[in-house]
Amino acid sequence: GENVEQHPSTLSVQEGDSAVIKCTYSDSASNYFPWYKQELGKGPQLIIDIRSNVGEKKDQRIAVTLNKTAKHFSLHITETQPEDSAVYFCAAPWGYGGSQGNLIFGKGTKLSVKP
Amino acid sequence: EAGVVQSPRYKIIEKKQPVAFWCNPISGHNTLYWYRQNLGQGPELLIRYENEEAVDDSQLPKDRFSAERLKGVDSTLKIQPAELGDSAVYLCASSLVGVMNTEAFFGQGTRLTVV
Repeated sequence: GENVEQHPSTLSVQEGDSAVIKCTYSDSASNYFPWYKQELGKGPQLIIDIRSNVGEKKDQRIAVTLNKTAKHFSLHITETQPEDSAVYFCAAPWGYGGSQGNLIFGKGTKLSVKP
Repeated sequence: EAGVVQSPRYKIIEKKQPVAFWCNPISGHNTLYWYRQNLGQGPELLIRYENEEAVDDSQLPKDRFSAERLKGVDSTLKIQPAELGDSAVYLCASSLVGVMNTEAFFGQGTRLTVV
């Protein structure tokens, strides 16, 4: 089955700096990679996702890169703001040929943005 | 449009007591998931429904956990009897799964404390 590893577990940056969170996965058939943001007391919320037919996707200050050969993908947040402080999870699907099915989540990265 | 609705938000019970959680997915979503999230960890899948059929319940502790999704809409997850180790946040999510993965929307979760 799929195994997703996420690093670092905690990340502290100054406001305005960039933050990078990295994940690796094991199932080469996986072709969908979402990133979720979870604020305290709330459920995870999708912030960006990428499919395996592209290597990079950007949405304003957030970008995700994917290296299928190395089986890793990364979340990049530029010009961080205090409201970016939260726990971020990467995920990859397992089952149904890697494109659908159950999401396997990483253990999360707690991002703290200091004003 | 309403998101995924879960109730109750919080539940405190004594060990060996039963407990039930309810989830109403986003209208039209054919797939419903129940996840368990332990403190400081990522969500872990318990069961996945496609319409009214449980297509993956391999991670559901069947000796004490049960779930149903009558008529393929809302769902109930039950624990009987509860153990101390069941304390966690129980998250429900839904998506419209077809040929390709689409976003899984999460509810706010039910925080269960077993004392």
